Parts: sequence; structure tokens; C-alpha cells
Amino acid sequence: DAGVIQSPRHEVTEMGQEVTLRCKPISGHDYLFWYRQTMMRGLELLIYFNNNVPIDDSGMPEDRFSAKMPNASFSTLKIQPSEPRDSAVYFCASRLAASATQYFGPGTRLLVL
Amino acid sequence: DAKTTQPNSMESNEEEPVHLPCNHSTISGTDYIHWYRQLPSQGPEYVIHGLTSNVNNRMASLAIAEDRKSSTLILHRATLRDAAVYYCILSGAGGTSYGKLTFGQGTILTVHP
Repeated sequence: DAGVIQSPRHEVTEMGQEVTLRCKPISGHDYLFWYRQTMMRGLELLIYFNNNVPIDDSGMPEDRFSAKMPNASFSTLKIQPSEPRDSAVYFCASRLAASATQYFGPGTRLLVL
Repeated sequence: DAKTTQPNSMESNEEEPVHLPCNHSTISGTDYIHWYRQLPSQGPEYVIHGLTSNVNNRMASLAIAEDRKSSTLILHRATLRDAAVYYCILSGAGGTSYGKLTFGQGTILTVHP
């Protein structure tokens, strides 16, 4: 299996622009998670889905952030408009319902200038 | 959520055993104990998890105190590749909260040649 796939791996954008991060979970996994990692705040859970339905979005920082999962094999995290404080590494992870093990993607390193 | 306490950093020599401690005095009876690690510039990866009994896998061993208020991750022979941040995490056992992970600051493990 290819594992969790994220794209792009790196993104540099200017403040105010829209940013879309993409994730393809491991085939057959029921849960999908989005995390953000910064030096100041560590690794934070933003939102997670079960069977494509958002279950808990309490970690989403504000209305500028939105996440969707239109089908079992694809999810997006969108930031509009982006701000310099959104600069971070964004990880996607997935797991099976019957397992506690989350499998993480390689992350997207976002820099907002 | 029940919290965990880990030392900020530890050091080890290559090919020696490493014992990484974790305190979780407010753990509930149904909380699972998970360990993940994050190698430099990578996403976190699963190491091991357990509930009450000690657990072994190809990567490590997990020793859980009888009162479950602490646990220890044991790397039997550290290698340079084991240098990473190690996270001890608790998660609930039921429904959609199972496997929901809240990462703390973790322990930075340095392995000396």
C-alpha cells in the first residue's frame, strides 16, 4: 500500500491567498484526521471524519479553515484567506474503525508570506 | 481528557536499552495508552499501545504499572534511527473517541553513536 498521500508537499503563498491541501487516505480506512504542527503549539488535531462525515471540528482555529471529505478516498483542508500565522506543517492521518493505529502522511509544509 | 507527563529529553547510547517513562495519574479505567514517535521531518508513526497488560511488538515493549498511573516504553537496543520525539497519549475506548489522539510535547530522544 502507498500509505497516506498528501499534496502538495510544500506550499509557499502570500497572505490573503486561498490554500488547498489534499489528502488521500489508505484504502479501506474509515477515519481521516487533519493535524497542524508548529513549534509553538506542537501537534494539534484540527478535525476528523468517520465514513466521510465530520465528527469533531473543535480544533479548527477559525472560519477561515474548512475541511471536506467528498468521498472515502479524498479530503481537502482549505484556508481562505491565508495568514502568516497559518504557516505550519499540516498532517493527514487515517485509520480503520477497529484499530487504534493512525497512519500519518508525510505532511504539507505551508509558508504564508 | 486525561493528561500525560513525560520528560522533555533523554539520551542514550547506541545498542543500549532505553526506558522512556510516562505518568498518567488521571487515567480512566477505559483509556488506552498509545505511543507514537516522530522522526525528523516526518509524520508521527505508531509504536505500540496497550490497556492493562504489558505489550511487545517488533519495535518496542510497553510496560504498564499495575495501577495504570504510569507506563514505560522500552527500546531494547537503541539505534541511531530511533532518535525521535516520543509521544505518550491516552485515548478513550468507546465509539468515535477511540483512537482520537491528543499529542503533548513528548520526549526528545537523542542516541549517541
